[in-house]
Amino acid sequence: DGGITQSPKYLFRKEGQNVTLSCEQNLNHDAMYWYRQDPGQGLRLIYYSQIVNDFQKGDIAEGYSVSREKKESFPLTVTSAQKNPTAFYLCASTALGGGDQQFFGPGTRLTVL
Amino acid sequence: GEDVEQSLFLSVREGDSSVINCTYTDSSSTYLYWYKQEPGAGLQLLTYIFSNMDMKQDQRLTVLLNKKDKHLSLRIADTQTGDSAIYFCAEPPPGANNLFFGTGTRLTVIP
Repeated sequence: DGGITQSPKYLFRKEGQNVTLSCEQNLNHDAMYWYRQDPGQGLRLIYYSQIVNDFQKGDIAEGYSVSREKKESFPLTVTSAQKNPTAFYLCASTALGGGDQQFFGPGTRLTVL
Repeated sequence: GEDVEQSLFLSVREGDSSVINCTYTDSSSTYLYWYKQEPGAGLQLLTYIFSNMDMKQDQRLTVLLNKKDKHLSLRIADTQTGDSAIYFCAEPPPGANNLFFGTGTRLTVIP
């Protein structure tokens, strides 16, 4: 089955620690995205990548980092510099990029203790 | 900047119709999308409409687009408890390579 997987589903982290969220897709999509979702605020774009070894900052990139070494994978690291990291993180991908429809993973809920 | 606005909450009784509204700012969008998010899950594409259309119907779903007023709506006929979810409208900002999402409307269906 083709799709996007995110792991883990729930993640707990102590303050001051970095943590990496996984996102993998087998849809052969070129573009991948990371969003953060907070209650009542919709989705906010953190980073996106349209091609391997290239990525761009979204609206709220501070305190986050990404890499795109493989087409299938787009991991997100939440660093200790992110002041309020507790949120639901969603990964998405799209075949053509631009304004094309996006396919979403199931999400990872990160809680900082 | 982009601004896509939605009401945060909507409650309807089972069997009634639901209408979820969205206003957007960019008039050059080619497509406009409706996504559904069930609790604790990712977003699923529900339907979309081309900007040169006024209406699109797909089974219980009807999308209406008023380009003049930049208003998009999603009507769900015969709403069921399984329709309880958060609904997001989304549009691609001009020249950008992503989608801009509204705040989402939480639909609660009362049995």
